[in-house]
Amino acid sequence: NAGVTQTPKFRILKIGQSMTLQCAQDMNHNYMYWYRQDPGMGLKLIYYSVGAGITDKGEVPNGYNVSRSTTEDFPLRLELAAPSQTSVYFCASSYPIQGRKETQYFGPGTRLLVL
Amino acid sequence: KNEVEQSPQNLTAQEGEFITINCSYSVGISALHWLQQHPGGGIVSLFMLSSGKKKHGRLIATINIQEKHSSLHITASHPRDSAVYICAVRGGGSDSGGGADGLTFGKGTHLIIQP
Repeated sequence: NAGVTQTPKFRILKIGQSMTLQCAQDMNHNYMYWYRQDPGMGLKLIYYSVGAGITDKGEVPNGYNVSRSTTEDFPLRLELAAPSQTSVYFCASSYPIQGRKETQYFGPGTRLLVL
Repeated sequence: KNEVEQSPQNLTAQEGEFITINCSYSVGISALHWLQQHPGGGIVSLFMLSSGKKKHGRLIATINIQEKHSSLHITASHPRDSAVYICAVRGGGSDSGGGADGLTFGKGTHLIIQP
């Protein structure tokens, strides 16, 4: 299993540009998450999904959109990039066992710089 | 919203020393995670616990639900243990922060083990 994969690893965007951060998992996990990590701060939840077709906002959703058309993929869309979105983005997935949510598996991260 | 505090923020120790990292949180939780982030940026889940104690190799994690406190211990520390250790909690409901199905993270403890 490849686990959780993310592309690209690094990207520079100009203010106002748009891009999609890709995330895929091959573990058949229902739950998927997008986090951002800013220097000196804890990771913060952007969006999450409990299954295909179901998404919900996390703590810091403004400026982002997500979709979940398949169990495997959970792309994160930035429509109008702003310098405040400079960060490292992590995708994660987990699966419920007997109704409990278990360990989260993280992707390698995407480093985004908005200039 | 759950507040997660870790201490110390930075810790430098000599190889072989016994290491303790602390985590406290403000609101009742359903589970607590300890994560390790290596200098390359990847995040790996070390433990998920909701009560008592867990041990994996030289790592031990404990949690006291009544005191809302958890500790991560490393015995016989080694330079390869140098990393950022992150505490994260999963609340019991959407009012505990991080989204109903996401985690609320501490800022991390930067650990350096010198040879």
